[in-house]
Amino acid sequence: AQSVTQLDSHVSVSEGTPVLLRCNYSSSYSPSLFWYVQHPNKGLQLLLKYTSAATLVKGINGFEAEFKKSETSFHLTKPSAHMSDAAEYFCVVRNTGGFKTIFGAGTRLFVKA
Amino acid sequence: EAQVTQNPRYLITVTGKKLTVTCSQNMNHEYMSWYRQDPGLGLRQIYYSMNVEVTDKGDVPEGYKVSRKEKRNFPLILESPSPNQTSLYFCASTNPGGENFFGQGTRLTVV
Repeated sequence: AQSVTQLDSHVSVSEGTPVLLRCNYSSSYSPSLFWYVQHPNKGLQLLLKYTSAATLVKGINGFEAEFKKSETSFHLTKPSAHMSDAAEYFCVVRNTGGFKTIFGAGTRLFVKA
Repeated sequence: EAQVTQNPRYLITVTGKKLTVTCSQNMNHEYMSWYRQDPGLGLRQIYYSMNVEVTDKGDVPEGYKVSRKEKRNFPLILESPSPNQTSLYFCASTNPGGENFFGQGTRLTVV
């Protein structure tokens, strides 16, 4: 069975400081892992994905995530937050070749000026 | 332009009145799915379809139906809507790499 746990429902950072959004997953098979972002009143946009190639994945807008199998984690980071990063972020797991997709509950990121 | 189109964007209806939310994609993807988004719960998969005439239940299928008669279309049907189906709904089309392309969402209110 698959599951995704986003460890923080909301995170608040100051502009220019690092961002860390935490995600743990559970999967019986080799998973594909994704991070999506949803800006207020908008649809969802893919930030990055891991599909068993390099464990450090770089995405759009300066975000990156590291796949750690031993810790079953896929945390999202960014070295320096920007006001435009304020949004809700979802960690997603999908079994490679499978059909079910599981979303985490989401982490809302607040960025203070 | 690659896109997923949902209609309507907003809908207010009464309990028990059948409704359909349409979804269409122009990327020739085989895999499509429907999600509902509720505060604090993220997105939960309602139904998915692996190809024409092939559909299966997701995690919250009760009260919903789907059909996939053509590759590009995947409508969501609520035969007898109830207030607990008030939610934000997203249709998604998925490429072979597993990346979801989402529609803009349909905000449904059932009174």
